[in-house]
Amino acid sequence: EAGVAQSPRYKIIEKRQSVAFWCNPISGHATLYWYQQILGQGPKLLIQFQNNGVVDDSQLPKDRFSAERLKGVDSTLKIQPAKLEDSAVYLCASSPWDNYGYTFGSGTRLTVV
Amino acid sequence: GQQLNQSPQSMFIQEGEDVSMNCTSSSIFNTWLWYKQDPGEGPVLLIALYKAGELTSNGRLTAQFGITRKDSFLNISASIPSDVGIYFCAGQLGIQGAQKLVFGQGTRLTINP
Repeated sequence: EAGVAQSPRYKIIEKRQSVAFWCNPISGHATLYWYQQILGQGPKLLIQFQNNGVVDDSQLPKDRFSAERLKGVDSTLKIQPAKLEDSAVYLCASSPWDNYGYTFGSGTRLTVV
Repeated sequence: GQQLNQSPQSMFIQEGEDVSMNCTSSSIFNTWLWYKQDPGEGPVLLIALYKAGELTSNGRLTAQFGITRKDSFLNISASIPSDVGIYFCAGQLGIQGAQKLVFGQGTRLTINP
């Protein structure tokens, strides 16, 4: 089966600019996650969707970050405006409803200068 | 929030040596997982542990779910160059359909040939 697709792979922007990341999960996976991984740290959950509904967004900085999964399939994560501390790898993952198996995408590496 | 303390942070070993790393938490998890992350890629699942006391092997990898459900260890026997990478433990919380992962800080493994 195809894996979790993410784009772009790399993005460099200036602070205060906007950026968007896209994720296409494994077909049929109901749950989609966005994680932020700062260099030298483990991934940290930003937001979790079950189909097109938000399950957990408690760690999403909502003043600048937003995410949507309108049709319950692919998802976009947006940062507006970006700050220097947003430089990180943004990982998308998906899992089936009845299985604990997560599959991660390769991530988008964001550099804010 | 939940935190996982993973140790050691880094290891430098000779090819052929055995490796041991562990993860502890002040919180109880219902599942422990171990992931490996190569540069520029997302984490890949190595082993999943679902019951307290469970000992599971996957080739040269062995992991155990602690009796208290607050810790886990991963052993790698007879290390080879392709074992190089960052290893993450992750604890899973939540009910089916709303489960989420909390990650440790990672153990960076370097192997001298």
